[in-house]
Amino acid sequence: SAVISQKPSRDICQRGTSLTIQCQVDSQVTMMFWYRQQPGQSLTLIATANQGSEATYESGFVIDKFPISRPNLTFSTLTVSNMSPEDSSIYLCSVLQGIEAFFGQGTRLTVV
Amino acid sequence: GDSVTQMEGPVTLSEEAFLTINCTYTATGYPSLFWYVQYPGEGLQLLLKATKADDKGSNKGFEATYRKETTSFHLEKGSVQVSDSAVYFCALRRHNQGGKLIFGQGTELSVKP
Repeated sequence: SAVISQKPSRDICQRGTSLTIQCQVDSQVTMMFWYRQQPGQSLTLIATANQGSEATYESGFVIDKFPISRPNLTFSTLTVSNMSPEDSSIYLCSVLQGIEAFFGQGTRLTVV
Repeated sequence: GDSVTQMEGPVTLSEEAFLTINCTYTATGYPSLFWYVQYPGEGLQLLLKATKADDKGSNKGFEATYRKETTSFHLEKGSVQVSDSAVYFCALRRHNQGGKLIFGQGTELSVKP
């Protein structure tokens, strides 16, 4: 099973600023995924990040707002740009091994 | 588009009670189905899975059967414990969707001693 470390685990940020979330996996994986879990709601996929290519964004999410890097097969970052209170959520990194998806602990972001 | 619908919570049960959390889905073809659990203060963990119709997934006393005719994947446990208190998510993945999971809204379970 994959072990995923996410940093930071939580943060409180001022509106208009940006936060970069890091995701480190203990094994090489082809695809990494970034999800958002808004308060009291389910998880929604933001984008899929493949090493060596641009991330693929889901409907409603754009690269300017959520730029993603994937420099190698064990690491990815998600930046939440120009934050507003509506961006307050838990952001989760996920990887796929076979049929099973593994998740990081999440980053709890509060924008004030 | 694809979607997953779960029964709303919170669900409160006494220890040793029978648990059912309903889950129905809408998807093209034959998706794989999953139940994930999120214990307080922890990350999301896979509880059980089923990849084709009539498959039964089971783990830690929990079971769910992939019912294509009713497009359902209800989670059951015969006797819940306080330690089962958590949020449970039903999810699906289509085989041609590159690993994307579609989640239900989650059901919070609280088990009282």
